[in-house]
Amino acid sequence: NAGVTQTPKFQVLKTGQSMTLQCAQDMNHNSMYWYRQDPGMGLRLIYYSASEGTTDKGEVPNGYNVSRLNKREFSLRLESAAPSQTSVYFCASSPSRGTGSYSPLHFGNGTRLTVT
Amino acid sequence: KNEVEQSPQNLTAQEGEFITINCSYSVGISALHWLQQHPGGGIVSLFMLSSGKKKHGRLIATINIQEKHSSLHITASHPRDSAVYICAVSNFGNEKLTFGTGTRLTIIP
Repeated sequence: NAGVTQTPKFQVLKTGQSMTLQCAQDMNHNSMYWYRQDPGMGLRLIYYSASEGTTDKGEVPNGYNVSRLNKREFSLRLESAAPSQTSVYFCASSPSRGTGSYSPLHFGNGTRLTVT
Repeated sequence: KNEVEQSPQNLTAQEGEFITINCSYSVGISALHWLQQHPGGGIVSLFMLSSGKKKHGRLIATINIQEKHSSLHITASHPRDSAVYICAVSNFGNEKLTFGTGTRLTIIP
């Protein structure tokens, strides 16, 4: 049982390049999330999908797009990367429908992204 | 927006010591989460609670809703407990999680 799988683990981009972070969960969870973690700051929600077929903006959505491809997969796309998007990105899932407040979150191992 | 503060920011202790990590928040909540982030970066959910106390092995989480405060206790601490412990609160109304910046715990053998 893999849980939440994120790829890639590391990525270096030049300013203006695009990339997609992939996330898949095998727990049949309804909700999936993308967070970013920056030094000295708490995890911040970028986008979330409360159920298959829906996506909503979180706290810091600018510069990102998401796709809930099916119940298992939730991808995060950077169309034109900027140095301010250098961060560690975490995908998470939870069984409940919604913002994840009432069920434990299950996290992927993170993607360390550097934009130069 | 709810402000979440954790203390201490860093904590170093000897193996076997009783550990307490604190979390305070500014606005009423519907639930509070404690998470553990391993040195390798992975994050694991430890507890979710809205009142009282929960225990899992050597870990105990308590919450005082009136005082807007939660504590995470570790009994008989071990070097493998070394990690960053993160508190997150669910806000009434929008139910989105607000995360603290974490407490870095180091247990010395």
